[in-house]
Amino acid sequence: DTEVTQTPKHLVMGMTNKKSLKCEQHMGHRAMYWYKQKAKKPPELMFVYSYEKLSINESVPSRFSPECPNSSLLNLHLHALQPEDSALYLCASSQPPRGLAGGELFFGEGSRLTVL
Amino acid sequence: AQSVTQLGSHVSVSEGALVLLRCNYSSSVPPYLFWYVQYPNQGLQLLLKYTSAATLVKGINGFEAEFKKSETSFHLTKPSAHMSDAAEYFCAAKQTGAQKLVFGQGTRLTINP
Repeated sequence: DTEVTQTPKHLVMGMTNKKSLKCEQHMGHRAMYWYKQKAKKPPELMFVYSYEKLSINESVPSRFSPECPNSSLLNLHLHALQPEDSALYLCASSQPPRGLAGGELFFGEGSRLTVL
Repeated sequence: AQSVTQLGSHVSVSEGALVLLRCNYSSSVPPYLFWYVQYPNQGLQLLLKYTSAATLVKGINGFEAEFKKSETSFHLTKPSAHMSDAAEYFCAAKQTGAQKLVFGQGTRLTINP
């Protein structure tokens, strides 16, 4: 069982809709991530939050808006998406890298997004 | 910039045969290295990780990987393949102190009965 929980598992939305993806972890991790994965491709990093502050934005279009309300929660707000944004969106968490700690990422099951 | 190369986008083996998935990294300083597995329509599950404590790393489901600095490699092996091993496998690397995990392109493992 994954310790990173993502909801919803599936989401279908039109290009004018506003929706949100949610992610929750209870492992005490202080870094949380959003990745986008297209079919037969590796995950692509979108955003990283470290200690509830946005630390990495990989030049993601503004129609994707992340939010980290507290250390356990991570949201991804979606607005005016395009059909090419259809993908599996993965949330992950880790301890921020420190010293010899490898800081491996723990992934959720993902939210499958379809934009019509 | 750090990069990870997985040789072979698709590997097919018979049930009971040796599994060998290849991964090479490009870095003058050995990074932290990871192997993840992804089953269809699921997230990524960590198989094992190298963090400089030991060059031979044992992971879950009978998998292991050996870090070879001279070859900048971190190949994944399993002595005897099971049907349940069929999945996509990703090698990934992260530099010390970095937040970004760099993935290889993935290798799809197929197990033939």
